[in-house]
Amino acid sequence: NAGVTQTPKFRVLKTGQSMTLLCAQDMNHEYMYWYRQDPGMGLRLIHYSVGEGTTAKGEVPDGYNVSRLKKQNFLLGLESAAPSQTSVYFCASSYPPHEQFFGPGTRLTVL
Amino acid sequence: DAKTTQPPSMDCAEGRAANLPCNHSTISGNEYVYWYRQIHSQGPQYIIHGLKNNETNEMASLIITEDRKSSTLILPHATLRDTAVYYCIVWSVGKLIFGQGTELSVKP
Repeated sequence: NAGVTQTPKFRVLKTGQSMTLLCAQDMNHEYMYWYRQDPGMGLRLIHYSVGEGTTAKGEVPDGYNVSRLKKQNFLLGLESAAPSQTSVYFCASSYPPHEQFFGPGTRLTVL
Repeated sequence: DAKTTQPPSMDCAEGRAANLPCNHSTISGNEYVYWYRQIHSQGPQYIIHGLKNNETNEMASLIITEDRKSSTLILPHATLRDTAVYYCIVWSVGKLIFGQGTELSVKP
C-alpha cells in the first residue's frame, strides 16, 4: 500500500497562473481532505469530501476549487494563484471516525 | 466547532513521562478528542483518540476528565524522536480543526 500520495512535491507559480494538485489514496477511504499550513501555524482545512462526487467547504476555501470524481482521488485547483497562497498543502484520507492518514505535502511558492 | 487550548511549548527530559494538557471546554457529547503530532515539516501522524473513557495504545495514553472539558496526552518514556508539535483536536462532523499545538522538546 502506498497510502496517501501527493503530486507534485514542489511547485513554483507566477501570480495569476493556475494549477491542480493531485491526491491519491489506495485505502478505500470515504473521506478526503485538503489542508494548508503556513509557517509556524497549524493546519487549516480548505475543502473536504465525504464521498465520491461530493465536496464541502472548510475553514479557508476562498481561491480554491476541488473535485472528487473518483473515490481514490481528490483534486485541489488554484484558478488564479496569488502570493497569499504560498504554503505547504497536505492531503489526508480517513474512514471516520478513525484516524486520518496524511500525505507528504506539496510545497507551493507563488511569486 | 469546539475549540482547543494548549500551551505553546513544553520541555521533557529523555526517558521521563511527557504530559501534554489540552482544554476543550465547549466539547459536545458526541465529539471525539484526537491527538496528532507533526515532526519537522512532515504530514501529521495520528497518535490516539477517545470519546469518554481513557485510552492506551502502543504510542501513548489519553486521559479524559469526567466532564470531558480537558484531556492529557501521556508519552510514558519520551525519547529524542518524540520532539514534535503535538495537536489536540476535537473531531466534529468529519472535520479536524487544528489549533496551534504544543511544541514538545525532549532533551537528553
